[in-house]
Amino acid sequence: GQQLNQSPQSMFIQEGEDVSMNCTSSSIFNTWLWYKQEPGEGPVLLIALYKAGELTSNGRLTAQFGITRKDSFLNISASIPSDVGIYFCAGRLETSGSRLTFGEGTQLTVNP
Amino acid sequence: EPEVTQTPSHQVTQMGQEVILRCVPISNHLYFYWYRQILGQKVEFLVSFYNNEISEKSEIFDDQFSVERPDGSNFTLKIRSTKLEDSAMYFCASIVTLGRTEAFFGQGTRLTVV
Repeated sequence: GQQLNQSPQSMFIQEGEDVSMNCTSSSIFNTWLWYKQEPGEGPVLLIALYKAGELTSNGRLTAQFGITRKDSFLNISASIPSDVGIYFCAGRLETSGSRLTFGEGTQLTVNP
Repeated sequence: EPEVTQTPSHQVTQMGQEVILRCVPISNHLYFYWYRQILGQKVEFLVSFYNNEISEKSEIFDDQFSVERPDGSNFTLKIRSTKLEDSAMYFCASIVTLGRTEAFFGQGTRLTVV
């Protein structure tokens, strides 16, 4: 199936630091979504992106839809302990229906 | 805030048994999905459902799986004869329309096949 390469796989940071993670693919996407998942829970939507070049913020989170439509990044500024969790990118391929293809996830640990 | 609800939260079943996982999507949403997540892995698409029929399915969604919307609110996933490798978190999701594909996920059902 289609692959989304998400990096880094894990991050260990100090509270207050900024974080950046990204997803890339060889395929073109019409939609990029960023989710956060905590243990035993379902993915929670953070940001949705629909146009190439779109830059969207949600509080301390900022995400961008890459110009080539093959990538997206998520930044978290001034991290806090409750930012801990797994962050997934998910995209809707140009060639598929409405299904989402997920990245492998970035495990974020924030040390107080 | 409207949310997708799933029951049960955890199900343990014997290999070969049938299980039915239940979901109540957000009420004004039109497209419904099942995804699964094997422990420690990424979320994988299983099937999408619109207008009372399957619109898309993955290679994982074989003849052992079926979906149904038996009434106006519930959306179910049935696994006819469970295998050990079916053990996973199963997530239901829904979206309003194809134009806005931000999918909202339920809390998941943890299926353990023993």
